[in-house]
Amino acid sequence: DARVTQTPRHKVTEMGQEVTMRCQPILGHNTVFWYRQTMMQGLELLAYFRNRAPLDDSGMPKDRFSAEMPDATLATLKIQPSEPRDSAVYFCASGIGLAGGTTGELFFGEGSRLTVL
Amino acid sequence: AQSVTQLDSQVPVFEEAPVELRCNYSSSVSVYLFWYVQYPNQGLQLLLKYLSGSTLVKGINGFEAEFNKSQTSFHLRKPSVHISDTAEYFCAVSEPGYSTLTFGKGTMLLVSP
Repeated sequence: DARVTQTPRHKVTEMGQEVTMRCQPILGHNTVFWYRQTMMQGLELLAYFRNRAPLDDSGMPKDRFSAEMPDATLATLKIQPSEPRDSAVYFCASGIGLAGGTTGELFFGEGSRLTVL
Repeated sequence: AQSVTQLDSQVPVFEEAPVELRCNYSSSVSVYLFWYVQYPNQGLQLLLKYLSGSTLVKGINGFEAEFNKSQTSFHLRKPSVHISDTAEYFCAVSEPGYSTLTFGKGTMLLVSP
């Protein structure tokens, strides 16, 4: 049963600490997305990759957030230093990106719930 | 730029009643439209999608949606809901040639006995 795997599922940390979230996309999917979900803002796109290359990270605060894909089976989202306003659920999603765009079917992981005290 | 408006943040309904969740979008070009569902403590999963062709789209769990280009709407419907349909529903839009989806703020469907 193919699925997107995210770790950790829950993370509580103190302000100023570094946080790293990891995502294993579905094998064969060439597009990976990071979304952040909060009550106030809903789902926000932070960054996305196609064939491991970053295509858009305009939704990400550049001074503290970074996203990478060291290989096709791993995507990471790092926050350094973390702040209380970063508390949210972070979702990774993968899909198949086509030359003409996307089929639109994204497969989401179960999310990483981050609490920054 | 594209945007999605889900007019209702919460829709309470009794079991076996019909339901409609409203979605309007704005875009300067043709669009692809989607509905995703999120059950508690889970990620989103695709319910149905409109890419082209018939404007009435059927999805999983008995849901359907109708694309109305003149009204720029893509409302989700189900003729008879179950308790298990209680979840948050997200409408999303993308444009041909782009890989990203823009999501609405979501509508919480609350089904009670």
